[in-house]
Amino acid sequence: IAGITQAPTSQILAAGRRMTLRCTQDMRHNAMYWYRQDLGLGLRLIHYSNTAGTTGKGEVPDGYSVSRANTDDFPLTLASAVPSQTSVYFCASRLVAGDTEAFFGQGTRLTVV
Amino acid sequence: GENVEQHPSTLSVQEGDSAVIKCTYSDSASNYFPWYKQELGKRPQLIIDIRSNVGEKKDQRIAVTLNKTAKHFSLHITETQPEDSAVYFCAASGTGGSYIPTFGRGTSLIVHP
Repeated sequence: IAGITQAPTSQILAAGRRMTLRCTQDMRHNAMYWYRQDLGLGLRLIHYSNTAGTTGKGEVPDGYSVSRANTDDFPLTLASAVPSQTSVYFCASRLVAGDTEAFFGQGTRLTVV
Repeated sequence: GENVEQHPSTLSVQEGDSAVIKCTYSDSASNYFPWYKQELGKRPQLIIDIRSNVGEKKDQRIAVTLNKTAKHFSLHITETQPEDSAVYFCAASGTGGSYIPTFGRGTSLIVHP
């Protein structure tokens, strides 16, 4: 792995199903984030984690959960998918110490039908 | 929390013209202001950033200016080229408890040959 990787890259999901989007980074970044990108709404924060073992809610957390068991992994779970969760999901990471850029994964295009 | 406003939402220019995208932020504790470029179907990637102790920064055809008093910062692209066509996002983040990058809604820049 080089950088930050998401899986899957795309998925079609039936409404009501449970789904976990995976995110892994090998840069030893403290902080990790999940954003959803919808046309005209930019990047909206779903959940974040400033360090392993801690998580927090962002702007649009309802219907999503996260965990941060270690530094490298930050999975996002949709407990029971709904059509309004159709979006492109980006995971990102950055070093918290100092002012540093966020590195993004390649994105997961999720369609809930 | 932080709120970032970005304008315009779309910007159409002729090749060779200049383009300016403006952002305002609300949290005076923010001190790091990156700009990301997202090409169609790709992940956002950093193109330039500025910190609060600097008023202007240039990198070839790209420049960013920051006015901390007015809480606004701008991206300037000179001599635009068709490959500059993309969505551009501004962001703001701070230190201490406000590490989380907050993004503007994005500007779709179209450069006509």
